[in-house]
Amino acid sequence: QKEVEQDPGPLSVPEGAIVSLNCTYSNSAFQYFMWYRQYSRKGPELLMYTYSSGNKEDGRFTAQVDKSSKYISLFIRDSQPSDSATYLCAMSLEAAGNKLTFGGGTRVLVKP
Amino acid sequence: DAGVTQSPTHLIKTRGQQVTLRCSPKSGHDTVSWYQQALGQGPQFIFQYYEEEERQRGNFPDRFSGHQFPNYSSELNVNALLLGDSALYLCASSPGTPGEQYFGPGTRLTVT
Repeated sequence: QKEVEQDPGPLSVPEGAIVSLNCTYSNSAFQYFMWYRQYSRKGPELLMYTYSSGNKEDGRFTAQVDKSSKYISLFIRDSQPSDSATYLCAMSLEAAGNKLTFGGGTRVLVKP
Repeated sequence: DAGVTQSPTHLIKTRGQQVTLRCSPKSGHDTVSWYQQALGQGPQFIFQYYEEEERQRGNFPDRFSGHQFPNYSSELNVNALLLGDSALYLCASSPGTPGEQYFGPGTRLTVT
């Protein structure tokens, strides 16, 4: 069993819909949680970074962390075709700059 | 402000050969991490360099080695290449361990 699980998708939504992504993890010691967006054949781009449990909002993006359930989520409001990409969750034990453990990524397709 | 840069963009090598990949971190960042991303999977941590020393290492064999220079740039070396080493190699930099990691565009290595 992988430390971080993520549904590979693809997740197809119409333009303007809310995209809901999530990851589950097995190691309760993870403290730092990140979401990256990766376009085809490009490097991952940092979207959101949260520490411990709680919610964080940045523009159209909302990240939620529930450490008691070992479950993190990313919501994208008013989705656009340019949001079509693979979304990777990542987490770290001691600090955001230390070893990141990634999920396998969820492919998202936003249809015009 | 230039982000993380990597060279070369693409590389084709023959099984058994050796390869060197290069990374320049984002301005102000002193910590460099390397990841391997196989097709359709999330990145896997190889190792991290700080102050020219390997500080953390993932589950990769000794064929994978690295170096960090005084200007914080870094190299990843892979010896005795195997077909399974074909992947996107990603470099990430951070301003020490408390800071989030930012990724470069990657080097796509194909081993034939």
